[in-house]
Amino acid sequence: DQQVKQNSPSLSVQEGRISILNCDYTNSMFDYFLWYKKYPAEGPTFLISISSIKDKNEDGRFTVFLNKSAKHLSLHIVPSQPGDSAVYFCAASADNDMRFGAGTRLTVKP
Amino acid sequence: DTEVTQTPKHLVMGMTNKKSLKCEQHMGHRAMYWYKQKAKKPPELMFVYSYEKLSINESVPSRFSPECPNSSLLNLHLHALQPEDSALYLCASSQWRGRNEQFFGPGTRLTVL
Repeated sequence: DQQVKQNSPSLSVQEGRISILNCDYTNSMFDYFLWYKKYPAEGPTFLISISSIKDKNEDGRFTVFLNKSAKHLSLHIVPSQPGDSAVYFCAASADNDMRFGAGTRLTVKP
Repeated sequence: DTEVTQTPKHLVMGMTNKKSLKCEQHMGHRAMYWYKQKAKKPPELMFVYSYEKLSINESVPSRFSPECPNSSLLNLHLHALQPEDSALYLCASSQWRGRNEQFFGPGTRLTVL
């Protein structure tokens, strides 16, 4: 039973435009959410997080939005750059450990 | 030092072999994790150590045996594996177990013949 879902396996965006990656979760006990980026042959790298007491968190070009009623979060990257091309994992945590989505492969074209 | 290191990067083993995966961090983190990741799937949690004690074992077969010799080191001992155990094995650490970011190593790509 996958509690964290990323329904888009891939996304292609033009350089300079906005990338929007989506994530849905089913467990209402999750209250801390994270996004990770993964390049080939490397482990996932932490990008940004958000607590359930907030609905938005921003860090430079990256913004995460949380809609608790819809059990949905999204990652916005503006402007997108070719170096952002990677697999992005959404993760959610309750009081113990994290569960990950299957990832979305983002390709940013020059 | 904000790095989690894992050795080896690649490992090929037969079903009768015994091998070990190693993980190390020097960030003073007190929680360490082993994940298994198959292609196009999310990382799946296998084991969690919190303050050097095994906190969770997600119903992992006994052919996988974790060990935490000290707060900086984590091992995964492998014995009598099956071909379906071939996967990327990721180690991670965090300041504490729970709601905080985990730092991942590059992983060990394991192939069981």
